[in-house]
Amino acid sequence: NAGVTQTPKFQVLKTGQSMTLQCAQDMNHEYMSWYRQDPGMGLRLIHYSVGAGITDQGEVPNGYNVSRSTTEDFPLRLLSAAPSQTSVYFCASSRLAGGPIDTQYFGPGTRLTVL
Amino acid sequence: RKEVEQDPGPFNVPEGATVAFNCTYSNSASQSFFWYRQDCRKEPKLLMSVYSSGNEDGRFTAQLNRASQYISLLIRDSKLSDSATYLCVVNGRDDKIIFGKGTRLHILP
Repeated sequence: NAGVTQTPKFQVLKTGQSMTLQCAQDMNHEYMSWYRQDPGMGLRLIHYSVGAGITDQGEVPNGYNVSRSTTEDFPLRLLSAAPSQTSVYFCASSRLAGGPIDTQYFGPGTRLTVL
Repeated sequence: RKEVEQDPGPFNVPEGATVAFNCTYSNSASQSFFWYRQDCRKEPKLLMSVYSSGNEDGRFTAQLNRASQYISLLIRDSKLSDSATYLCVVNGRDDKIIFGKGTRLHILP
């Protein structure tokens, strides 16, 4: 059971480049989300999804796109990378029982640097 | 008022001491509460859920105070390995999961 996997683990981009951060889970979780974490700051929600075909914005969605075509995958796309997007990105998933939220399982993170 | 607030610390505590920290939340309709632990440069991991009646897991005790809208985490007989950042998690509106910014704990030998 792999849990939540993220690729790549490290990435360096130049300003203006685009890329996709991959996230996959094998636990059949309905809820998936992307966070960014900056030094000295907490986790900030970028986008989330409560099921295939459904996505919504979090606290800091600008500059990022997501899609959820399958239950397993939730890729995060950076449209035109900016230095302000240098951060550690975490993907997480959980069950969604139609009420209280269940335990979040996190991937190991992607450390992104934008030059 | 922010949705979830925590004292960022750091709390510097000698080994063997008891330490407690709180987390306040703004949504009175919240039903799910958790404490997560995050080690430096690692992903957050669940420490324990917080139940209405309070719950204990070894040296860790979690409490919920709905009237004042806060949860607490108590660590007894602290160990060096308890040094980490502790994140409070609450469910917000529209199924969002809200993380606090975390409280840093340093256990001193």
